Amino acid sequence: NAGVMQNPRHLVRRRGQEARLRCSPMKGHSHVYWYRQLPEEGLKFMVYLQKENIIDESGMPKERFSAEFPKEGPSILRIQQVVRGDSAAYFCASSPLNRGGEAKNIQYFGAGTRLSVL
Amino acid sequence: QQQVKQSPQSLIVQKGGISIINCAYENTAFDYFPWYQQFPGKGPALLIAIRPDVSEKKEGRFTISFNKSAKQFSLHIMDSQPGDSATYFCAAGSTNAGGTSYGKLTFGQGTILTVHP
Repeated sequence: NAGVMQNPRHLVRRRGQEARLRCSPMKGHSHVYWYRQLPEEGLKFMVYLQKENIIDESGMPKERFSAEFPKEGPSILRIQQVVRGDSAAYFCASSPLNRGGEAKNIQYFGAGTRLSVL
Repeated sequence: QQQVKQSPQSLIVQKGGISIINCAYENTAFDYFPWYQQFPGKGPALLIAIRPDVSEKKEGRFTISFNKSAKQFSLHIMDSQPGDSATYFCAAGSTNAGGTSYGKLTFGQGTILTVHP
């Protein structure tokens, strides 16, 4: 069972360009979470999605950032008109649906996409 | 109220020693407390997790101690090894209204552990 797959692993953009980060959850997982990690800081929650639904976007910046998790295909985190402050590692995690018990919704993380804005 | 405070920021331990990392939280709605281990250039990997109905959980060399009244929990790594050198994050989550998910996790700031041989 493949883990959470994120691509690209590294992404370089110039200021004003768009960045698209992709996340394929583990097989059988229908919950996806995006987190951002600035250098030498902890992970900050951005958004929580289920298929075709945004459940919690309380951590998303109000402008330029959007996320989707379509019925088919990976989840996408989109950053429009990137600025230098967007440079960070972006991690995706996934969890299964309503497993119950101790394994309920443990979040498994991908290796991340490291975004550098020049 | 959503914060999770983690200490120390960095920790140096000799091989065979005990590593102790502490976390404190404020939100009493939190009911799930995982610890993650992260190596450079990698994503966080779940180490061990606890829920507030128990005061301690042990898995191999890793033990979580949980103090509900003090709203604190800690990770103990027994017989620390150089391979344990990594960044450790505590986190906290709360079950959603439908009971199907912990939703977002709130992470501590991380502890960089170095175990000297």
